[in-house]
Amino acid sequence: GESVGLHLPTLSVQEGDNSIINCAYSNSASDYFIWYKQESGKGPQFIIDIRSNMDKRQGQRVTVLLNKTVKHLSLQIAATQPGDSAVYFCAENANQGGKLIFGQGTELSVKP
Amino acid sequence: KAGVTQTPRYLIKTRGQQVTLSCSPISGHRSVSWYQQTPGQGLQFLFEYFSETQRNKGNFPGRFSGRQFSNSRSEMNVSTLELGDSALYLCASSLADQSSEKLFFGSGTQLSVL
Repeated sequence: GESVGLHLPTLSVQEGDNSIINCAYSNSASDYFIWYKQESGKGPQFIIDIRSNMDKRQGQRVTVLLNKTVKHLSLQIAATQPGDSAVYFCAENANQGGKLIFGQGTELSVKP
Repeated sequence: KAGVTQTPRYLIKTRGQQVTLSCSPISGHRSVSWYQQTPGQGLQFLFEYFSETQRNKGNFPGRFSGRQFSNSRSEMNVSTLELGDSALYLCASSLADQSSEKLFFGSGTQLSVL
């Protein structure tokens, strides 16, 4: 793959627990990062994004953390629900208009 | 506001044929990007069009081509299909006023090459 990769291919959590999905990137020039959720039979759905001038950004039940020193991105999902079961992709835009470089994805499975 | 629309949803072709996929972006979005998704390679960037011009291109052979019309709708074409072209082809649109813009994806066209 390209410069963005995910540490774990699968993640299984109990309903109600918090989930953390990790991502490493290698392109220092990247200034914008995005997390997508993809459910079976659907296209990737935007979850949250963060620019490189920020370390943390929060949304509804989700938080993205960016550590530029070690080139690491994480997605935290609070109180994980069965509807959160999907494949999660991180992506970066290395200032190449319209081109996102995607990681391989992490499959999140939520056990009731 | 309607989302990104891709047609057809499913397509079955045989080796050597050619195929055209269509994408209608979100109203007001001027940039359209295409991605190929396979289990082995993940999401791979094909190309991006903005104001009817190809602005960026991925590492795919010349058999993969695209175009954008004045209404921002886009098509991609794959000629001389190979078995390895079987994939989910995703279209995404964005406002693209700057390089760091989030992409909104359609549901894709699932292409099977037999």
